[in-house]
Amino acid sequence: NAGVIQTPRHKVTGKGQEATLWCEPISGHSAVFWYRQTIVQGLEFLTYFRNQAPIDDSGMPKERFSAQMPNQSHSTLKIQSTQPQDSAVYLCASSLETGEIGNQDTQYFGPGTRLLVL
Amino acid sequence: GDSVTQTEGLVTLTKGLPVMLNCTYQTTYSPFLFWYVQHLNEAPKLLLKSSTDNKRTEHQGFYATLHKSSSSFHLQKSSVQLSDSALYFCALSDSSGSWQLIFGSGTQLTVMP
Repeated sequence: NAGVIQTPRHKVTGKGQEATLWCEPISGHSAVFWYRQTIVQGLEFLTYFRNQAPIDDSGMPKERFSAQMPNQSHSTLKIQSTQPQDSAVYLCASSLETGEIGNQDTQYFGPGTRLLVL
Repeated sequence: GDSVTQTEGLVTLTKGLPVMLNCTYQTTYSPFLFWYVQHLNEAPKLLLKSSTDNKRTEHQGFYATLHKSSSSFHLQKSSVQLSDSALYFCALSDSSGSWQLIFGSGTQLTVMP
């Protein structure tokens, strides 16, 4: 089991450029989550998918950020027109969530993508 | 909305001493509490989880008990080791139907020789 895979591990972009981050969840996991980690804000939820369907994007900045899960083996987080305040570690996590109330399963995190916007 | 509070930002201890990291939470739903540990430049990893009131859960020498009456899930260890130096996050999920984790601000634990 390779765990959650995230690519690239590091990305440097110029202000105004686009950044696409990739996540491959653990095989068989039905839920994929995206979080952002900064020194100031800590760990913040962005969005998540269950069985490839978007379930909750309440943490996503409404402009410039979008996420997709085109198949069960990968999800992407895209940031358009990147700004210096987007600099953070973006973490992807997956879990076996069945969707049953009362059945919170463990979320397994990937190593993250460290994004630096200059 | 849901929230998690960790009162200690930084804890420094000598090896062999006990530690308690505080975690309190707020939610109007049934709570699920987690402790994650993150070593430098690594991914957060689950340490403990619980949704059962007043039941102690243990792993790798760490333990915690969910107390719904006081909305707390404090992390404890009786004797810290150098390898325990890391960032510890308390996190909350609830029964509302969204499985997102709400994280506390984290506690950096440093264990000295």
